[in-house]
Amino acid sequence: AQTVTQSQPEMSVQEAETVTLSCTYDTSESNYYLFWYKQPPSRQMILVIRQEAYKQQNATENRFSVNFQKAAKSFSLKISDSQLGDTAMYFCAFPDRGSTLGRLYFGRGTQLTVWP
Amino acid sequence: AAGVIQSPRHLIKEKRETATLKCYPIPRHDTVYWYQQGPGQDPQFLISFYEKMQSDKGSIPDRFSAQQFSDYHSELNMSSLELGDSALYFCASRWGTGDSPLHFGNGTRLTVT
Repeated sequence: AQTVTQSQPEMSVQEAETVTLSCTYDTSESNYYLFWYKQPPSRQMILVIRQEAYKQQNATENRFSVNFQKAAKSFSLKISDSQLGDTAMYFCAFPDRGSTLGRLYFGRGTQLTVWP
Repeated sequence: AAGVIQSPRHLIKEKRETATLKCYPIPRHDTVYWYQQGPGQDPQFLISFYEKMQSDKGSIPDRFSAQQFSDYHSELNMSSLELGDSALYFCASRWGTGDSPLHFGNGTRLTVT
């Protein structure tokens, strides 16, 4: 079974600074996807970025980028130029390929607070 | 772009009552997932459907049932509600069974008193 671990329950960063959220996972698969979702105070679940394991290049979406280390099974999210609107709970998510439709396993989340 | 629509946004029920949550996936998405998120918890998978057939089942109580209709919308029926059922219920959809990302609705907040 796959597991997803986020070891930082809470983090804070000053506006305009850079912050990195960590995520490790465990799988026996060789080809898979990984996702980061954010959940702001509105509680909506929003896709931030996804990484395909067979791609060596780290995914980037504007100020969000990942550091994907396949051998180490690490998938960290870097947020550059942090903005107040980035304040949210961030979940690392991994599809369960053992299930029929690849349901997502979520980590326990990291609460990020961006302060002025 | 169209998103996943969930209704109602908020629902208050008493213990032992019944609740029905509705989910309308993004057009052309044929796969629907239901997740339950308790306070301060990560989302927990309940059940999923593909092409109107139940495909996978997670930690869904026997008091709950769900189905996907011919127009691909889905309903989660919850009976004999308990206080512990109070949570945020998410519906998510995607196209197909591959690794495309799940798109989540805004959730239904259920409060059982």
